[in-house]
Amino acid sequence: ELKVEQNPLFLSMQEGKNYTIYCNYSTTSDRLYWYRQDPGKSLESLFVLLSNGAVKQEGRLMASLDTKARLSTLHITAAVHDLSATYFCAVDDLTGNQFYFGTGTSLTVIP
Amino acid sequence: GAGVSQSPRYKVAKRGQDVALRCDPISGHVSLFWYQQALGQGPEFLTYFQNEAQLDKSGLPSDRFFAERPEGSVSTLKIQRTQQEDSAVYLCASSTSSYEQYFGPGTRLTVT
Repeated sequence: ELKVEQNPLFLSMQEGKNYTIYCNYSTTSDRLYWYRQDPGKSLESLFVLLSNGAVKQEGRLMASLDTKARLSTLHITAAVHDLSATYFCAVDDLTGNQFYFGTGTSLTVIP
Repeated sequence: GAGVSQSPRYKVAKRGQDVALRCDPISGHVSLFWYQQALGQGPEFLTYFQNEAQLDKSGLPSDRFFAERPEGSVSTLKIQRTQQEDSAVYLCASSTSSYEQYFGPGTRLTVT
């Protein structure tokens, strides 16, 4: 069974600081997804990474994928309060029919 | 355009009751997925449809769970004889391909 692990599970950081969330997965997959979830809300797609070495950036967030290391990172630059949320990574099986989610990283940005 | 919608948004059921949760996918989306999200956890896959065909139901936790999508659009997830461990948020997602999934707001089910 494909397993997805995220760390840290909880992250409290000050505004203006940088930090990285890590996502490791257990089996071969070339596709990695990052989602954001606000309390009581559904999941919002942030990034879709489709190949080894893929890097995508949107505002203060940048995601990368290393399929050989089975690792994706979500880097936060100069955090602001609006980024407070839970971030999930997910991979699909090679059929694309099943998504496997990590347990999430709960991010709190403190003024 | 309209996103994925789910109803009801909240459902309280007494243990042993049957419930039906509805998902309206984005128009034209061929693929439809159901997930179960327990408190503080990531979503877990339940089942997948391509049009009206249920291609994967390996994530359904027991035979009390049943999903259908008879006309290839709206889907219903039914849970029979609900148990307390069924309490969770049930998320529906739709997709035009196997890549990006668009999630609905979820139905929060509480079994008392």
